[in-house]
Amino acid sequence: DGGITQSPKYLFRKEGQNVTLSCEQNLNHDAMYWYRQDPGQGLRLIYYSQIVNDFQKGDIAEGYSVSREKKESFPLTVTSAQKNPTAFYLCASSPPRQGSEQYFGPGTRLTVT
Amino acid sequence: GEDVEQSLFLSVREGDSSVINCTYTDSSSTYLYWYKQEPGAGLQLLTYIFSNMDMKQDQRLTVLLNKKDKHLSLRIADTQTGDSAIYFCAEKAGGYQKVTFGTGTKLQVIP
Repeated sequence: DGGITQSPKYLFRKEGQNVTLSCEQNLNHDAMYWYRQDPGQGLRLIYYSQIVNDFQKGDIAEGYSVSREKKESFPLTVTSAQKNPTAFYLCASSPPRQGSEQYFGPGTRLTVT
Repeated sequence: GEDVEQSLFLSVREGDSSVINCTYTDSSSTYLYWYKQEPGAGLQLLTYIFSNMDMKQDQRLTVLLNKKDKHLSLRIADTQTGDSAIYFCAEKAGGYQKVTFGTGTKLQVIP
């Protein structure tokens, strides 16, 4: 089965700790994305990567970091510098052709207390 | 920058038609999408339209695009309780991978 997996589904952390969210795809897509979803605010782009070993900041990159060492993996680290990290995080990927839609993972709900 | 606006909430009776509206600001938008999100899940593509089209129909779904007014709508005919979800409008300018999503419209279907 081809698709995008995110793990874990629910994640709990104490304030001040860094946490890494996993995103893996076996669709052979070049581009991958991380979004944050908050109620009533839709999806906001954190980081995206169009190719291995390259990534760009999205609209709300502060307090987050990513790496893209392998085509199939795009982990997101939520650092202690992120002021309000509790949210639903969605990973997506898309093939390189123009107009192609994004395929989404099931999401990770992060709660920081 | 790009902006995509949607109303936050829509309530309809089962069997009626639902119309979800979206406005966008980027005049270079080439691709426009509708995604559906069920509770606690990721987004699923429902349908899309190219900016050189006015309308696209796919079974119960009809997408209308008014490029002059930068207005996109999604009509769901014979709405069912299983259609209850959040619907996102999204746009992408040609040649760029970045997609801008709207705030999402929560559709509630009353039995």
